[in-house]
Amino acid sequence: QQQVKQSPQSLIVQKGGISIINCAYENTAFDYFPWYQQFPGKGPALLIAIRPDVSEKKEGRFTISFNKSAKQFSLHIMDSQPGDSATYFCAAGRFFSGNNRKLIWGLGTSLAVNP
Amino acid sequence: SAVISQKPSRDICQRGTSLTIQCQVDSQVTMMFWYRQQPGQSLTLIATANQGSEATYESGFVIDKFPISRPNLTFSTLTVSNMSPEDSSIYLCSVERDTNNEQFFGPGTRLTVL
Repeated sequence: QQQVKQSPQSLIVQKGGISIINCAYENTAFDYFPWYQQFPGKGPALLIAIRPDVSEKKEGRFTISFNKSAKQFSLHIMDSQPGDSATYFCAAGRFFSGNNRKLIWGLGTSLAVNP
Repeated sequence: SAVISQKPSRDICQRGTSLTIQCQVDSQVTMMFWYRQQPGQSLTLIATANQGSEATYESGFVIDKFPISRPNLTFSTLTVSNMSPEDSSIYLCSVERDTNNEQFFGPGTRLTVL
């Protein structure tokens, strides 16, 4: 059972456009929602993260929108650039025991930004 | 963030042998994680390694196959034992900063088993 559902699987956007990737979760115990960016041959890099007490967080061209009632969150990349072409993963985190947090990962979205 | 290095960056190994992957962090961290990622796929957590305690393994992963050491707050190793071609994958270590629970990843070790 996929606890975090990510869509679309792949996305093609023109340079300057807006890239939107969506994730949905089921377990209301999740309390931390990060997005990671991964380039080929590299480890995932933390891009931006949000906690459920806010509905939106913006860092530069990257924005997370969070809808607690719908149990959905999305990543918006404004003014998309060819250098943004990468695989993006959403995740949801919660504590499982003591102070041990675990991330549950989406399946990833391959983004291609055409010049 | 945290600076994380992994050794080796890649290796090609024969079936039946074992490989130990090292993960070094530039600062002390309590929690370290080991993941496996098939090319083009998502991340699968193998185990959580806290300093001073036994590693906690996820369903489908066992200590005999993936023994982990965590001798101090900046270092961990993952051994892939008695390898088969199905173990060919990218192995990633990550660390969690104590202050805000953000997880940071190393560059990964690409393992090919022939």
